[in-house]
Amino acid sequence: DSVMTQTPLSLSVTPGQPASISCKSSRSLLHSDGTTYLYWYLQKPGQSPQLLIYEVSNRFSGVPDRFSGSGSGTDFTLKISRVEAEDVGVYYCMQSIEPWTFGQGTKLEIK
Amino acid sequence: QVHLVQSGAEVKKPGASVKVSCKASGYAFTGYYIHWVRQAPGQGLELMGWIDSSSGATNYAHSFQGRVTMTRDTSISTAYMELSRLKSDDTAVYYCARYVNSGYSGYDIWGQGTMVTVFS
Repeated sequence: DSVMTQTPLSLSVTPGQPASISCKSSRSLLHSDGTTYLYWYLQKPGQSPQLLIYEVSNRFSGVPDRFSGSGSGTDFTLKISRVEAEDVGVYYCMQSIEPWTFGQGTKLEIK
Repeated sequence: QVHLVQSGAEVKKPGASVKVSCKASGYAFTGYYIHWVRQAPGQGLELMGWIDSSSGATNYAHSFQGRVTMTRDTSISTAYMELSRLKSDDTAVYYCARYVNSGYSGYDIWGQGTMVTVFS
């Protein structure tokens, strides 16, 4: 199974400052079809999760361009160029090579 | 508007079963898989498995095999997740989510969640 390890588990960021979350997989997430199935989700307080980034670096519809994803193989990063108050919540990476697994989550709060 | 609307909160005793529904609207139900994800209080997300809404084929996560059954009723665009032999650590919010793999991929639509409390 792919163990997904996120760091840090929490971070406190001043509005307007950048933030970065790392997600490391215990095995390569490059599928035989050439796609790397790594996703980022945000769960805002009291809400269901929402898709931010799909296949490593593609922003989902409506996601602000201050969010970006990068990485390959086993190491991935979500970056927020300028954190806003509405970005608070828990960020999860997820991989979809069987068996699918989520990272443990990173809680973002505003200073 | 595309929606997944789940059934309401449940309180069950240990050893009982619970069946949660997830009604889809605004899209062709049989064109997508429905996945079920649970979240214990204060914890992270855990995939339970999925169902192909068209064929009814299922795939369950190892930790739930033998206890979970996912079904669907295409006539009413509704997916179901039944979990049996409930234990206290099954207390969680259960989400259904639509999985897309055409043009883009991922869980693009989520239900609002169903709280299941297992309490003696």
